[in-house]
Amino acid sequence: EAGVTQSPTHLIKTRGQQVTLRCSPISGHTSVYWYQQALGLGLQFLLWYDEGEERNRGNFPPRFSGRQFPNYSSELNVNALELEDSALYLCASSLVAGNIQYFGAGTRLSVL
Amino acid sequence: GENVEQHPSTLSVQEGDSAVIKCTYSDSASNYFPWYKQELGKRPQLIIDIRSNVGEKKDQRIAVTLNKTAKHFSLHITETQPEDSAVYFCAAIGYSGAGSYQLTFGKGTKLSVIP
Repeated sequence: EAGVTQSPTHLIKTRGQQVTLRCSPISGHTSVYWYQQALGLGLQFLLWYDEGEERNRGNFPPRFSGRQFPNYSSELNVNALELEDSALYLCASSLVAGNIQYFGAGTRLSVL
Repeated sequence: GENVEQHPSTLSVQEGDSAVIKCTYSDSASNYFPWYKQELGKRPQLIIDIRSNVGEKKDQRIAVTLNKTAKHFSLHITETQPEDSAVYFCAAIGYSGAGSYQLTFGKGTKLSVIP
């Protein structure tokens, strides 16, 4: 069984650009979570999607947004990139909301 | 909202010794407490979890204890090995109403096991 997959693995952008990150959950999982992990720091909760709807949102500005598709895959969009957006973006999925979360390998975003 | 504090931020132990990482949480409604291990450059991986109806859980060299009254939970690693070196995150998951779950991670503990 495939785990959580994320693409791309690495991305380099410049300030002001927009970026889209993608996540495919484990087959059968309906909940998808996004986290930001800046270098050397902890996991900051960004967004939670379940059954196609945004269920919860962390303390991030509106330029961080996303969506979940009917097949439960998800996209994270970040507009007007800033230098401090440079981080590892991790996606996780769970079978049902509130259950064990399994993480993808992440997308390393560098903003120059 | 929930606040999870994790201590210590760094921990060095000699190989074979035990390591203990402690977390406290603020929301008494939290009912599920997972622990994740993140090796350098890799994804966080669940190593053990505990639910609020259980006081202790063991899996080989790893154990987690939960004190609901005091709102703290701890990870215990015995007979540490160099491959235990990683960053460990605790987390608390609680239902916050209207179908919404709140997940909060601690800031992590960097464990170094010295051969």
